[in-house]
Amino acid sequence: KAGVTQTPRYLIKTRGQQVTLSCSPISGHRSVSWYQQTPGQGLQFLFEYFSETQRNKGNFPGRFSGRQFSNSRSEMNVSTLELGDSALYLCASSEDRLETQYFGPGTRLLVL
Amino acid sequence: SQQGEEDPQALSIQEGENATMNCSYKTSINNLQWYRQNSGRGLVHLILIRSNEREKHSGRLRVTLDTSKKSSSLLITASRAADTASYFCATNATSSSGGSYIPTFGRGTSLIVHP
Repeated sequence: KAGVTQTPRYLIKTRGQQVTLSCSPISGHRSVSWYQQTPGQGLQFLFEYFSETQRNKGNFPGRFSGRQFSNSRSEMNVSTLELGDSALYLCASSEDRLETQYFGPGTRLLVL
Repeated sequence: SQQGEEDPQALSIQEGENATMNCSYKTSINNLQWYRQNSGRGLVHLILIRSNEREKHSGRLRVTLDTSKKSSSLLITASRAADTASYFCATNATSSSGGSYIPTFGRGTSLIVHP
């Protein structure tokens, strides 16, 4: 099976802009989670989607949102970008909760 | 928060030596997983150990889990330069409100294996 894919791999934006990141999970996986990784805060959970429904949400402001489509592909959107949003955004898929997560290569976002 | 914390933060060893990393967490878990991350890339799943298991092996990896101490260890035997990476533990559990899945990762142990 193909692994988790994320697009784009790199992105440069300016403050105030918005950005949409995409994640395609492993075929058959219905759970998709998003994480933000920064040197200062480590790996932080953003949210998880399962069968097009947000099942869990981390402690992030409302500027961070996501959705999942019927084919399990997921998108994450960040509006009104701030410098502190510069990070590696990782997507992970799994068959269901509490099971092994398989991570994509990540999207590195730089906000100038 | 039941965030796992890895110890040590950094570890530097010579090829052929064993590397041991520890993970501590705060609340009851369903399972604990170890991941490896090469610089700036995605995480690779190494091993999952369930709360009713005490030890698990996979190749050169050995993971132990002590639920009474809320801790786990990852042992890499006969390390190789290619093992150089950051290693993370992640705990899965239901939330205090019941039913929710809250995945939490530690900050990782940075392992450098010198050839």
